[in-house]
Amino acid sequence: QLQLQESGPGLVKPSETLSLTCTVSGASITTTSFYWGWIRQPPGKGLEWIGSIYYNGNTYYNPSLKSRVTISVDTSNNQFSLKLSSVPAADTAVYYCARHFRAGYNNLGYFDFWGQGTLVTVSS
Amino acid sequence: QSVLTQPPSVSGAPGQRVTISCTGSSSNIGAGYDVHWYQQLSGTAPKLLVYGNSNRPSGVPDRFSGSKSGTSASLAITGLQAEDEADYYCQSYDSSLSGSVFGGGTKLTVL
Repeated sequence: QLQLQESGPGLVKPSETLSLTCTVSGASITTTSFYWGWIRQPPGKGLEWIGSIYYNGNTYYNPSLKSRVTISVDTSNNQFSLKLSSVPAADTAVYYCARHFRAGYNNLGYFDFWGQGTLVTVSS
Repeated sequence: QSVLTQPPSVSGAPGQRVTISCTGSSSNIGAGYDVHWYQQLSGTAPKLLVYGNSNRPSGVPDRFSGSKSGTSASLAITGLQAEDEADYYCQSYDSSLSGSVFGGGTKLTVL
């Protein structure tokens, strides 16, 4: 059974860089049918897609976050990672990693498997 | 302001049928991109409920059904049960943004 697990610091200082890693087990991250994505949810609010990466490094980013986001993939360890720079308090959220169906050229589909999520608080 | 618009809340009594709408535009739903639906129980990660407008993953009861027409989509839940009380989100792809977009979410209350 496919499982995803987020890991990283639960507390980040304002203006610093938030870094998270998602470890995938039960399937290879190099599968051709899927991207691997990050989604966040501020406390009491809705879901926001951050970005997604293919095993070859191809990425899609949310335009509203693109200037601060870097998503990378480590196929040897079956992991992918998120870096979000210059974080303000508004970046406080539960961060989820998920498998993202590759619907076709210039088209991303559904998220079928999700990690449990990790709360990252931005505070001094 | 979400790209996809959902009602903030809906409610229904046990056994009733409720629908949740998801309204988009010509750059997402109206452009032919698929709509997907998620259920998020309190304190848990979202769960895929419907994909590709109307398909259910294995294990999802047939009480849940999705449809799409024009620039909108709907999730219908029949035979409402107390365990259906949750937040529901629609999701699609937007060609103007070149990325995935979510609706703002709808809180379903079972009376």
